[in-house]
Amino acid sequence: ILNVEQSPQSLHVQEGDSTNFTCSFPSSNFYALHWYRWETAKSPEALFVMTLNGDEKKKGRISATLNTKEGYSYLYIKGSQPEDSATYLCALATGGTSYGKLTFGQGTILTVHP
Amino acid sequence: NAGVTQTPKFRVLKTGQSMTLLCAQDMNHEYMYWYRQDPGMGLRLIHYSVGEGTTAKGEVPDGYNVSRLKKQNFLLGLESAAPSQTSVYFCASKTVTGLAVNYNEQFFGPGTRLTVL
Repeated sequence: ILNVEQSPQSLHVQEGDSTNFTCSFPSSNFYALHWYRWETAKSPEALFVMTLNGDEKKKGRISATLNTKEGYSYLYIKGSQPEDSATYLCALATGGTSYGKLTFGQGTILTVHP
Repeated sequence: NAGVTQTPKFRVLKTGQSMTLLCAQDMNHEYMYWYRQDPGMGLRLIHYSVGEGTTAKGEVPDGYNVSRLKKQNFLLGLESAAPSQTSVYFCASKTVTGLAVNYNEQFFGPGTRLTVL
């Protein structure tokens, strides 16, 4: 069983602060790592798909890095805004199944206070 | 395109009642999934389908049944609801074509929040 761990479980920051959180995994045997952003009552939204060691992706104030050798991915938010408040989920796409399995972490709940 | 839609958005049931959650996607995706999301536990796969007329069990299938009579629809049934099934239920879909198919990118619906009293 592949365990995908996210930390911290929850995070409170002030508007304007920069923040980051972690997705850890024990193996480099996967095809891709996904970051999703989920706001309550909305669909989880895909942020990034990361595939290579050293991969870096950026979308506006949000960026992510992937280190497959040491087994982690970081998600960074620069200058947090209240609208960034959401649950951030990471998931690994692994092979060995016939149905396109994604293994999810438990999520990091971010609250940005005005 | 509406993407992935789910009905209902909210529901409250009493223990022992039954209900069906409907998922529909208009992207012509082959694969569809039902997950449940519980605090501190991430998304866990309940059942999935790799095509019309086929379904299979995921990680936490007990107490649920599914059907996929049409490619665009995936139904999740609770025959006799229990308080342990209080959760947020997500449907997702995935294509099996394209260069990035191995990345398993899934597209999600907005969720159904179910409370069982």
